[in-house]
Amino acid sequence: AQSVSQHNHHVILSEAASLELGCNYSYGGTVNLFWYVQYPGQHLQLLLKYFSGDPLVKGIKGFEAEFIKSKFSFNLRKPSVQWSDTAEYFCAVNARGNNRLAFGKGNQVVVIP
Amino acid sequence: DGGITQSPKYLFRKEGQNVTLSCEQNLNHDAMYWYRQDPGQGLRLIYYSQIVNDFQKGDIAEGYSVSREKKESFPLTVTSAQKNPTAFYLCATGTVDAEAFFGQGTRLTVV
Repeated sequence: AQSVSQHNHHVILSEAASLELGCNYSYGGTVNLFWYVQYPGQHLQLLLKYFSGDPLVKGIKGFEAEFIKSKFSFNLRKPSVQWSDTAEYFCAVNARGNNRLAFGKGNQVVVIP
Repeated sequence: DGGITQSPKYLFRKEGQNVTLSCEQNLNHDAMYWYRQDPGQGLRLIYYSQIVNDFQKGDIAEGYSVSREKKESFPLTVTSAQKNPTAFYLCATGTVDAEAFFGQGTRLTVV
């Protein structure tokens, strides 16, 4: 089964700073990749996804992620964060054609005004 | 109102009792999932079902059971064999090669 690694579980940064969250997965075949976000008190929602095509994916709220196949990575970035980006961010992966969806341990991001 | 309904939102049970968490969907999705969320552990897959009358164990299935008798429903039973059942449980649905959608979750507290 595939597995997902996310590092730096707690991230604290100031507004306007840049954010990058790492995500690495272990699976040798073709994968679908996702980033989900969980705002305080809310349910998980999709931030962005990658299935195929351009490896640089743009999502909601100014987030983007880059798929680097050779590094088995799908890192999330935002050039300038806002206080409202305070949330927990989860990377997820499944093998193409398979519904089993594996998540990383998440990154708790706190943005200080 | 479309979506995924998990009930109840909060659930309290005495130690040693089985408890069943409900998950209903009207999105017509084939796949349904149960995850457990603990602080610092991310989402861990308990069980998932890709089609009616079929389901597979996830990474932490011990002490849990599920059924998938209808496409719309995927109840999770937390049995007395689960050593540490207090947690936040999330149900999700999806289709192959598409994103999953999540319910609001059930917070189970065993006392």
